[in-house]
Amino acid sequence: EIVLTQSPATLSLSPGERATLSCRASQSISSHLAWYRQTPGRAPRLLIYEVSNRATGIPARFSGSGSGTDFTLTISSLEPEDFAVYYCQQRSNWPLTFGGGTKVEVK
Amino acid sequence: EVQLVESGGGLVQPGGSLRLSCAASGFSFSDYSMNWVRQSPGKGLEWLSFLSRGGVSEYYADSLKGRFVVSRDSAKNSLYLQMNALTADDTAVYYCARDDWVYWGQGTQVTVS
Repeated sequence: EIVLTQSPATLSLSPGERATLSCRASQSISSHLAWYRQTPGRAPRLLIYEVSNRATGIPARFSGSGSGTDFTLTISSLEPEDFAVYYCQQRSNWPLTFGGGTKVEVK
Repeated sequence: EVQLVESGGGLVQPGGSLRLSCAASGFSFSDYSMNWVRQSPGKGLEWLSFLSRGGVSEYYADSLKGRFVVSRDSAKNSLYLQMNALTADDTAVYYCARDDWVYWGQGTQVTVS
């Protein structure tokens, strides 16, 4: 099973600041990585698929990069709705796995 | 409008069984593979199961140890998850998700106690 490790666990930032979230895979997953945002009581929302492709309706402030085992989600300027928990997911191998999440909180 | 609506959750005793349903609408259900994902209280997301659009291929999380079985009924536009030998660790909100991962249901709560 591929283990995804997200860091940091918590990121304390202010609105308008830049957020950089990391996801590291225990083995190469090529480009088969996705990112989600989840707010309390809601289902996750797909942000990015295949490392760097924004899902429909996702604003340009979200960008993804990386390859192999190291991946990054960048939010260029935090909006109020961006204070949430973010998960990465690998779709390279069965079983699919999610990272443990990074919480972006208001500083 | 694409909709996925889970049902069948509730309170069950340890060792019991439960069958979850996911009713799909607004798209051609038979054209899509589907997934189940759960989230334990205060915890992260855990992928559970995949079923291909034709129902031929299925995959499960290692942690389930053969206790869960996924199925689908295209005539009813529905996905199912049969859960057996439930333990307290299975307490979670259970989501179904279309295999493009864009569309998710609202989740159904399962409590084992």
